[in-house]
Amino acid sequence: DTGVSQDPRHKITKRGQNVTFRCDPISEHNRLYWYRQTLGQGPEFLTYFQNEAQLEKSRLLSDRFSAERPKGSFSTLEIQRTEQGDSAMYLCASSPQGGETQYFGPGTRLLVL
Amino acid sequence: GQSLEQPSEVTAVEGAIVQINCTYQTSGFYGLSWYQQHDGGAPTFLSYNALDGLEETGRFSSFLSRSDSYGYLLLQELQMKDSASYFCAVTYNFNKFYFGSGTKLNVKP
Repeated sequence: DTGVSQDPRHKITKRGQNVTFRCDPISEHNRLYWYRQTLGQGPEFLTYFQNEAQLEKSRLLSDRFSAERPKGSFSTLEIQRTEQGDSAMYLCASSPQGGETQYFGPGTRLLVL
Repeated sequence: GQSLEQPSEVTAVEGAIVQINCTYQTSGFYGLSWYQQHDGGAPTFLSYNALDGLEETGRFSSFLSRSDSYGYLLLQELQMKDSASYFCAVTYNFNKFYFGSGTKLNVKP
């Protein structure tokens, strides 16, 4: 069990650019979540996958955000036309079916200049 | 909508006991979780309550009262390493979790 991994750990980009983040969950975990966290706040739910199916998506998530989990293993989160307000820590978490424990990755810290 | 309230900051001394409260208002409820997050680190799972009552795990205990929409995390025999932020989170179907803004715990020697 190597834990949840995320890549890259840090990303600096210019406003208007597209960015993509990757999450590798713990193997055999079929549940995968994406969150966004800003300083002094709790994780904010973005989207949820059960295997390859995206079953939940936050209404707060604009059309610039899209996520995939094509084979039910790793997942990607893409932000198009980044804005300064997108600067945050993007966290991925996974859990096994029926498990209430979420295992979080180290996060990707995004800074939009 | 969903809302969770927890104190923003708590300070206690080493060896003491501290209780962090969480009240919630949700359109549906299945369970209450607690997570710990050290500065610069990822959240780590502490406990989950789906039924009323107290769950004990070592120095940490978590309580839930569904009728009062209230829960708390109890930390005993505080250690310096317990200095961190603590988040309560609610879920109604495990497809989505709502986190509170967090309570920053400062443990002083």
